[in-house]
Amino acid sequence: EVQLVESGGGLVQRGGSLRLSCAASGFTFSSYWMSWVRQAPGKGLEWVANIKQDGSEKYYVDSVKGRFTISRDNAKNSLYLQMNSLRAEDTAVYYCAGQSGHYFDYWGQGTLVTVSS
Amino acid sequence: QSALTQPASVSGSPGQSITISCTGTSSDVGSYNYVSWYQQHPGRAPKLIIYDVSNRPSGVSNRFSGSKSCNTASLTISGLQAGDEADYYCSSYAGSSTHWVFGGGTKVTVL
Repeated sequence: EVQLVESGGGLVQRGGSLRLSCAASGFTFSSYWMSWVRQAPGKGLEWVANIKQDGSEKYYVDSVKGRFTISRDNAKNSLYLQMNSLRAEDTAVYYCAGQSGHYFDYWGQGTLVTVSS
Repeated sequence: QSALTQPASVSGSPGQSITISCTGTSSDVGSYNYVSWYQQHPGRAPKLIIYDVSNRPSGVSNRFSGSKSCNTASLTISGLQAGDEADYYCSSYAGSSTHWVFGGGTKVTVL
């Protein structure tokens, strides 16, 4: 059974930092592009960042460039998102998602990040 | 404001068919056959139900079907069931600069 379990969310002050983690199991993690997708309270989905299987390519939505860093550790079947200089508009549930193509096959249950102003 | 435009809500009676539209531009939906659809029940993670415009992942009911014409993609749910009540999101690949965009979501209500 495929499982993606996010952790690391919480309440942080504006300008602060958080590191999200996503533990994967039940599929060949190292064969998948991996993404972070977020959902602000009561709002729609927004793709945030993704990373190639070997970590050699990383892409970000414009609003987080220079503030967020995506990384992965294939030996630990884990995905990470380092979030710095957090803003109120970063408040959302953050999902990790696996991609076998131009879509998001697998999703975790999400972790809530709340940025207080 | 979301990059792709979906109706806020669609409703139908059990057994009926409904269609949800997803309108983008020539830079996303119109340029790539990489439209996907996701079902999200309240408090749950999204679930992939259609990928590459019209393909269903293993285990997804054949009551769900997808199509595309020009800059607009569509999701049709036939034989509507109570369990289909959920939010539905479309997504499209939008090239190497923008990557992925989503619609604002459509709430499906079964009357």
